[in-house]
Amino acid sequence: SYVLTQPPSVSVAPGETARIPCSGIHIGSKSVHWYQQKPGQAPGVVINYDDERPSGIPERFSGSNSGNTATLTISRVEAGDEADYYCQVWDYRSDHDVFGGGTKLIVL
Amino acid sequence: EVQLVESGGGLVQPGGSLRLSCVGSGFSFSSYWMHWVRQVPGEGLVWVSRIDSDGSTISYADSVKGRFTISRDNAKNTLFLQMNSLRAEDTAVYYCARIETVSKTGSIDYWGQGTLVTVSS
Repeated sequence: SYVLTQPPSVSVAPGETARIPCSGIHIGSKSVHWYQQKPGQAPGVVINYDDERPSGIPERFSGSNSGNTATLTISRVEAGDEADYYCQVWDYRSDHDVFGGGTKLIVL
Repeated sequence: EVQLVESGGGLVQPGGSLRLSCVGSGFSFSSYWMHWVRQVPGEGLVWVSRIDSDGSTISYADSVKGRFTISRDNAKNTLFLQMNSLRAEDTAVYYCARIETVSKTGSIDYWGQGTLVTVSS
């Protein structure tokens, strides 16, 4: 089955740029969605279709996807961005949806 | 306002069964594909199952295939997950979630609040 790999945590100082990778074989050929989840809350989408920002999501959030890695980039990180972030794809071979293991963004 | 409200979670013994429900409101329920996604508290999201708008196209994660059944009643705006032969490793919060387009590849734009299933003797 298809596997998405994310680092357990990424640390960044306020005002800096956070980059959260999501690795998978030929992930560049798939559409990647990114979700943010804060403690006690359901997840919410922050980027869909690799690099599209849904209505209401700040421009500080952006995405890219190429080769074997998709990346969620958060510019000018704020304390309120501290959360768990998950990537998701649909694998056409298995017709399964797959989530990455999640990355905890720590704002120092 | 779009709302998804799950119910049916609880404590069940290993080998037992449970049926989860998810009532959708504020949108045309019968037009949307839906997922069930689970999460062990403190751990990551895990996809469980997906169903298309009329219930004719269904997919399951390997870990639940043959034990869980997803279905829907569009007349009642309700999504179901019948869970049989439950195991301790099925313990999790179960979310129902709406796919934002008519395609299975769309992102999830709305989630329920989740219902906790605990499998323990």
